[in-house]
Amino acid sequence: LAKTTQPISMDSYEGQEVNITCSHNNIATNDYITWYQQFPSQGPRFIIQGYKTKVTNEVASLFIPADRKSSTLSLPRVSLSDTAVYYCLVVPYTGTASKLTFGTGTRLQVTL
Amino acid sequence: GAVVSQHPSWVICKSGTSVKIECRSLDFQATTMFWYRQFPKQSLMLMATSNEGSKATYEQGVEKDKFLINHASLTLSTLTVTSAHPEDSSFYICSARAPSSLSSYNEQFFGPGTRLTVL
Repeated sequence: LAKTTQPISMDSYEGQEVNITCSHNNIATNDYITWYQQFPSQGPRFIIQGYKTKVTNEVASLFIPADRKSSTLSLPRVSLSDTAVYYCLVVPYTGTASKLTFGTGTRLQVTL
Repeated sequence: GAVVSQHPSWVICKSGTSVKIECRSLDFQATTMFWYRQFPKQSLMLMATSNEGSKATYEQGVEKDKFLINHASLTLSTLTVTSAHPEDSSFYICSARAPSSLSSYNEQFFGPGTRLTVL
């Protein structure tokens, strides 16, 4: 499984855009890039997933360059409730459920 | 969306006792579920893969005789921590992959977690 590297922590003020970058130099051709969010004492929650270029949903955007060796999760106009740990994972394309390998994650702290 | 529940949400037990944690997929069937453990301020560590109707697959370093997993139906997996000790105190989380009709590709839904404290 491809290893991911992301900043341990980030701070932001409410209302700002936050970009969290993840490196995955050994990503395989059949790997998808997936981000999860985890609040304290809760299970992780899926945010977004992509293979290449740009993906956007109601929560975030995911930017993936052509070489796919990195990706950037963009959270527009964060609020206090976005304070959480964000995990970047690469998940292989398979027909069955794949086990997930979580890295250290990025602890985002949003303040007023 | 798909929902995964866990029971209990927290449990306190004495050292040497066994504790059972249930993981249920509420609105979908899951042939495969996963069990994770998370210590404070650390990431999730995969413990085992639970397969309906067959033996679980344990990650390296996880004692299968200590962490018993039973996946007896398509909606229920249980994790039993046998002869629990204080070092087993942790946050235990399960997950399941929902069918494509309910989720993005290979999206996994996580339970809310179970906080185990062994005295």
